[in-house]
Amino acid sequence: NAGVTQTPKFRILKIGQSMTLQCAQDMNHNYMYWYRQDPGMGLKLIYYSVGAGITDKGEVPNGYNVSRSTTEDFPLRLELAAPSQTSVYFCASNIMEMNTEAFFGQGTRLTVV
Amino acid sequence: GENVEQHPSTLSVQEGDSAVIKCTYSDSASNYFPWYKQELGKRPQLIIDIRSNVGEKKDQRIAVTLNKTAKHFSLHITETQPEDSAVYFCAAKAAGNKLTFGGGTRVLVKP
Repeated sequence: NAGVTQTPKFRILKIGQSMTLQCAQDMNHNYMYWYRQDPGMGLKLIYYSVGAGITDKGEVPNGYNVSRSTTEDFPLRLELAAPSQTSVYFCASNIMEMNTEAFFGQGTRLTVV
Repeated sequence: GENVEQHPSTLSVQEGDSAVIKCTYSDSASNYFPWYKQELGKRPQLIIDIRSNVGEKKDQRIAVTLNKTAKHFSLHITETQPEDSAVYFCAAKAAGNKLTFGGGTRVLVKP
């Protein structure tokens, strides 16, 4: 049972480069989220999705884009990487009912130099 | 939107003592309050949660209390052990299913 899978685990980007962080879940969860965690800090919501074709902004969406073409996948796109985007990125998902556990992926550690 | 404040940011306790972490939230519509534990370099994992129709919930050495009137909830860890050392996050979920996290508490259990 894979759960929530993120790729890659580590990445170094140069300023101005772009990349896509991949997230896939095999639990048929409707809701998916992207969080960023800066060193020693809490989790900030970037974007979330309540189902295929539906996405919405979280607390810190600037500099990022998402899409949700299938229930399973929720990729996060960085178009013009900046040093301020150096962080650990976590994808999470949960089922449609509101009050249920959110399962997290193992994280992607991104460094922008 | 929802705002969750968490205190303290760091907590050092002797093994066997109790640890208490407190959180406050701003949105009175929030009705689900999970607690996550994150070990160094690992993903956050749920340790306990409480829903708005319950005032207290216990699971072995861990308990959570909720005061909806005051809009605060707390995590209590009794008989702390070295393996309890980690960062703990509270969270609150309101309408729209957005889960908002507190800033985290780094707990160190000294043997």
